[in-house]
Amino acid sequence: GAVVSQHPSRVICKSGTSVKIECRSLDFQATTMFWYRQFPKQSLMLMATSNEGSKATYEQGVEKDKFLINHASLTLSTLTVTSAHPEDSSFYICSARDYTGDHTDTQYFGPGTRLTVL
Amino acid sequence: GNSVTQMEGPVTLSEEAFLTINCTYTATGYPSLFWYVQYPGEGLQLLLKATKADDKGSNKGFEATYRKETTSFHLEKGSVQVSDSAVYFCALRRDRVRGSTLGRLYFGRGTQLTVWP
Repeated sequence: GAVVSQHPSRVICKSGTSVKIECRSLDFQATTMFWYRQFPKQSLMLMATSNEGSKATYEQGVEKDKFLINHASLTLSTLTVTSAHPEDSSFYICSARDYTGDHTDTQYFGPGTRLTVL
Repeated sequence: GNSVTQMEGPVTLSEEAFLTINCTYTATGYPSLFWYVQYPGEGLQLLLKATKADDKGSNKGFEATYRKETTSFHLEKGSVQVSDSAVYFCALRRDRVRGSTLGRLYFGRGTQLTVWP
């Protein structure tokens, strides 16, 4: 099946620094990628929808200036957590949509990135 | 609106027991339905899906049937294994919708399954 990678898998940073997380679709082109946040033992919360070549669409309550999303190519989207604080510590998961028409429309998820802000 | 309701866990079973995890949904239009599985410390993996009413998705011994009349997509497995221990998420996707949220998944809260040997 299709593979989506995320890098890094784990990151620990100091409060106030910025962290960039990469999401790559390895064997298909993804015009749409999604960024989720997952708290312990809870479901996934959609943060934003990232469309290649255009601005991301953020969900209500998600600060777009804090969580910067860039989808510069059909295989790469990045999420930058700016001026991170301990409350931003979480598990961030991306997914990439493999869509080639009516017969192929599947979302593949990355393995997640564990962010810990000290 | 669109939403998914899953039975609350955790679910604890002995190996070879029968598993059912209930899932019901609310949606307008023609949603596709999915079950995803998340193993500890990992992202989500697609387990099975169904795209229209009465379709049955199946994979690795798991099955779920898209029931439009009861708006349900219950996950079942006849004989669970220890390796099935994970969190299971039911999700829907609204299809045939224009706009930037096309393809968005709506997730249930997840059900933790633990299987003991």
